[in-house]
Amino acid sequence: SQKIEQNSEALNIQEGKTATLTCNYTNYSPAYLQWYRQDPGRGPVFLLLIRENEKEKRKERLKVTFDTTLKQSLFHITASQPADSATYLCALGTGANNLFFGTGTRLTVIP
Amino acid sequence: DADVTQTPRNRITKTGKRIMLECSQTKGHDRMYWYRQDPGLGLRLIYYSFDVKDINKGEISDGYSVSRQAQAKFSLSLESAIPNQTALYFCATSDAPRGDNQPQHFGDGTRLSIL
Repeated sequence: SQKIEQNSEALNIQEGKTATLTCNYTNYSPAYLQWYRQDPGRGPVFLLLIRENEKEKRKERLKVTFDTTLKQSLFHITASQPADSATYLCALGTGANNLFFGTGTRLTVIP
Repeated sequence: DADVTQTPRNRITKTGKRIMLECSQTKGHDRMYWYRQDPGLGLRLIYYSFDVKDINKGEISDGYSVSRQAQAKFSLSLESAIPNQTALYFCATSDAPRGDNQPQHFGDGTRLSIL
């Protein structure tokens, strides 16, 4: 069966450290992968997109990698801040702009 | 995202009632989507529409129907609500003419409780 797993339901890290979130998938062949941030009571907000032929993408303090052999994406937040505390969702795109979402990882950055 | 507006934000109703959730957008996007979000299950696609005349079922369409009244409006109906439809519902849009792979833009959701 198809499955998208995000490494853990919750992750706590100290301010200033790098947070690394994992997204693993099985039985999908995604053409691209997107990462979203979701705050309590709000809808998801798009952060980054990486295509299957790209190894890495960066945006400010964010970095995403995509390994189609391992069927895994890693999402890094460097120099983390308490304002980065949120739930982060990965989403696989297989074409036609339909996305399949993981269940999310709730990140807490401790001051 | 203030460009995608969902109404109502919260709704409590009883089993068997008909409910309509509404979504409007000012982004000018052709594609619109309805998802539900449940704890431990993530976002799941209910229906999607690539333009006014194109409606497609998603992963979990049973018990739901939709109407695309205009490019800017996409409504979701529960004809006879049941308690396991209690969830957080999200509407989203994306910009089709720029191709696939485009980000989706979400509203802030409707929290629906069915007693």
